[in-house]
Amino acid sequence: AQRVTQPEKLLSVFKGAPVELKCNYSYSGSPELFWYVQYSRQRLQLLLRHISRESIKGFTADLNKGETSFHLKKPFAQEEDSAMYYCALRDKSGGSNYKLTFGKGTLLTVNP
Amino acid sequence: NAGVTQTPKFQVLKTGQSMTLQCAQDMNHEYMSWYRQDPGMGLRLIHYSVGAGITDQGEVPNGYNVSRSTTEDFPLRLLSAAPSQTSVYFCASSYSLDANTGELFFGEGSRLTVL
Repeated sequence: AQRVTQPEKLLSVFKGAPVELKCNYSYSGSPELFWYVQYSRQRLQLLLRHISRESIKGFTADLNKGETSFHLKKPFAQEEDSAMYYCALRDKSGGSNYKLTFGKGTLLTVNP
Repeated sequence: NAGVTQTPKFQVLKTGQSMTLQCAQDMNHEYMSWYRQDPGMGLRLIHYSVGAGITDQGEVPNGYNVSRSTTEDFPLRLLSAAPSQTSVYFCASSYSLDANTGELFFGEGSRLTVL
């Protein structure tokens, strides 16, 4: 069965410091991975997807199949990055393309 | 454009009571789903639907029923509420979950407390 692991429940950094939110997955197949973010008093929303290989709000994430990881990185954290971050894996097993499995989330706090 | 609308936002139930959480989307999305969010557990999929008349179970379906009679609506029913169902519930929809175009749009959440 697929699994998404975010080992850190809480992560605290200072403004301007680099930040890395870890995500590891277990999946027998070609994975499709996403990062979702929930800012305070806002809806959960898509931040980025691995297939796009894009940078959103300064964040990037590279899929490392050898290490089965999809860590989210930003070189210089900003206070407005404080939020709950969820890594998610799309399950294509069993003929279903519609199951998105989320990790338990990491609460990022960027201190001034 | 309202997006995904959930009602109610807050609800308190007694054990054994029944209720329905409503979810509606106006984006003509085929895929709709319900998640529950619990501290330390993240988001867990309860039920999902890939179109009107089609539903399937997610990771934690027990105690919940769903139906999808229209593209727009996907209600979640608790037939006999239990304290273990105290949680924040999120409805989410998507045009598709294809890697290139798939993006889940979430509602604001419904906080349910079962006493």
